[in-house]
Amino acid sequence: EAAVTQSPRNKVTVTGGNVTLSCRQTNSHNYMYWYRQDTGHGLRLIHYSYGAGNLQIGDVPDGYKATRTTQEDFFLLLELASPSQTSLYFCASSETDQDTQYFGPGTRLLVL
Amino acid sequence: QQQVRQSPQSLTVWEGETAILNCSYEDSTFDYFPWYWQFPRESPALLIAIRPVSNKKEDGRFTIFFNKREKKLSLHITDSQPGDSATYFCAASPSGSWQLIFGSGTQLTVMP
Repeated sequence: EAAVTQSPRNKVTVTGGNVTLSCRQTNSHNYMYWYRQDTGHGLRLIHYSYGAGNLQIGDVPDGYKATRTTQEDFFLLLELASPSQTSLYFCASSETDQDTQYFGPGTRLLVL
Repeated sequence: QQQVRQSPQSLTVWEGETAILNCSYEDSTFDYFPWYWQFPRESPALLIAIRPVSNKKEDGRFTIFFNKREKKLSLHITDSQPGDSATYFCAASPSGSWQLIFGSGTQLTVMP
């Protein structure tokens, strides 16, 4: 079973604050993804990556940066957090494209 | 914008009944359709998936029916159990793409 971990699990920040969400997968998967989940919208893709140093823009990238430092680690950065970014954030990984995505436990972010 | 639509938004059935969850899409380039389920306070996980070379995919009590001409698919859960109570997401991926586009989900409740 694929192992994807996320930290922190919960985060509270203020408007304008700086937040970094971390994701690590230990199955040597090439593909990693960041999603946000909001009621009524399902899962929406923010950024994704194929390998260290690679970054692709997803469907809702505004206000987010991402960086893939190693094959295992994928970070999501909110440099000026806004209340609209209050959400549940999931990281996922997969071995290939159009393959099973394995999700981490999620990070719940509250921006006051 | 590429879209995946699901209906109904919520569904309640009795134990032993068949639950039918619907999904439709717009982009004819979509060629991979996974269904993910998510239990309360857990992460999404792959349930079953289909590619357009088939019009049916079965896994135990779970069956996907696929109609390429109408751009519709449905997930049938036979002999529904209370443990099937979850939110079900239909997703789709364009040909040659890493991206998964998720619908907004159907919340299924199975009453004992």
